[in-house]
Amino acid sequence: GESVGLHLPTLSVQEGDNSIINCAYSNSASDYFIWYKQESGKGPQFIIDIRSNMDKRQGQRVTVLLNKTVKHLSLQIAATQPGDSAVYFCALTGNQFYFGTGTSLTVIP
Amino acid sequence: ETGVTQTPRHLVMGMTNKKSLKCEQHLGHNAMYWYKQSAKKPLELMFVYNFKEQTENNSVPSRFSPECPNSSHLFLHLHTLQPEDSALYLCASSPPGRNSPLHFGNGTRLTVT
Repeated sequence: GESVGLHLPTLSVQEGDNSIINCAYSNSASDYFIWYKQESGKGPQFIIDIRSNMDKRQGQRVTVLLNKTVKHLSLQIAATQPGDSAVYFCALTGNQFYFGTGTSLTVIP
Repeated sequence: ETGVTQTPRHLVMGMTNKKSLKCEQHLGHNAMYWYKQSAKKPLELMFVYNFKEQTENNSVPSRFSPECPNSSHLFLHLHTLQPEDSALYLCASSPPGRNSPLHFGNGTRLTVT
């Protein structure tokens, strides 16, 4: 099956710092990528997506970078806030959506 | 509100019980999904329905039985479950088109005793 991996299971950052969460994948045919945020007791929430014809996309305080050469996807969160504490995971298309296991982000006040 | 509502939020059932999970989406989407989320594992696709027709059954045991009466409602009927079936069961929906994000509900936390 498709391989989707998160580089770090946990990440702690100081409030106000920038956070970077990384994801590696194996399927070079994947053409659509999504980042989700999952808070405790809730379902995954869409944050931002990117198509394979782009290498960067920006949202409000978030940026997704796609490097198709090395099959790497990252999520950057600017000025991280306590409300950003959650599990973040990537998803990408193949025959179906494939999901990473998630990185748990803790923001230290 | 996510636009996808799941009930109940929590369910505890014995291995001989029969129960059902319900999902309703208010987004006008045509595709609905059941996923299983276990600790430390990626989301596992269980079933996919497009326009009420099942298009994917990801080798799910027959003790899980989906039902999709219309494009807005999805059920997961459970019977004779095992303790290892304890997990968070997530419903999702999506609009037409391959490159569209899934919209998830908040899930049903199932515990099988």
